[in-house]
Amino acid sequence: AQKITQTQPGMFVQEKEAVTLDCTYDTSDPSYGLFWYKQPSSGEMIFLIYQGSYDQQNATEGRYSLNFQKARKSANLVISASQLGDSAMYFCAMRDSGSFQKLVFGTGTRLLVSP
Amino acid sequence: EAQVTQNPRYLITVTGKKLTVTCSQNMNHEYMSWYRQDPGLGLRQIYYSMNVEVTDKGDVPEGYKVSRKEKRNFPLILESPSPNQTSLYFCASSVTGLGGFSGNTIYFGEGSWLTVV
Repeated sequence: AQKITQTQPGMFVQEKEAVTLDCTYDTSDPSYGLFWYKQPSSGEMIFLIYQGSYDQQNATEGRYSLNFQKARKSANLVISASQLGDSAMYFCAMRDSGSFQKLVFGTGTRLLVSP
Repeated sequence: EAQVTQNPRYLITVTGKKLTVTCSQNMNHEYMSWYRQDPGLGLRQIYYSMNVEVTDKGDVPEGYKVSRKEKRNFPLILESPSPNQTSLYFCASSVTGLGGFSGNTIYFGEGSWLTVV
C-alpha cells in the first residue's frame, strides 16, 4: 500500500533563510506522482509543486524546489528565501498508477517563519 | 476560471440531523472525490467518482453517502451526523486516467468546516 511519511510535525525558520521539509514515500508502482500542498490558516489547499517518477530533473516553481531522490524514496520540499507568508501547514502527497483515483497524504508539517 | 465550489463553508449542526455538503466543478472533469482532514492524520479519501453514476468507497466511507447524477456535481451526504464526523472536508476534481499526472490537474475546493455537536 502507498504511504507518505512526514516526520517533522513542526519547523521554525527565520525570514530570508531556506528551509527543507522532509517527505518519504513508499510504493511498489514504478509510475507515480508526488505533490506538495500548502494549507494556510484559512484552510484552502494550495498546490505548490509536482514531481513525476520519470521526470529526469528535480521540479522547481519559483522559490519552491523539490529534492527528489528516487532510490531513497524521498521528495523533500525546499523553500528558499522564506517569507512570513510561508507560515502554514505543508502536505506531501502521492498518486500512483495503481491507485490513480486518490491522493495519499502525509500528516503534514507546520512551518513557522519568524521575522 | 477553473473552480471547485463547496457549500457550506462553515456549518455547526446537531447529532442526527441530516446534512448535505455540495460540490460543483466547472472544468468538465470526470473524476471527483471527497476527503476529510483531521489533526495528525492528514487528508483521507471518503468517496470518489470516476464518472456520472459511478462511485466507490475510499478509505473512510462509514457514515457518508454520495451521488453523481450530473458530471459537475458530487454532493456528500451525512444521513445521521455524529460528533466524530466533525472535520474539515475537501472536494477535489481532476482528469481521469493514468496519463496526465501533472500536478495542477487536481483541483481542490476551499474546504468545508463541519462541527457536529
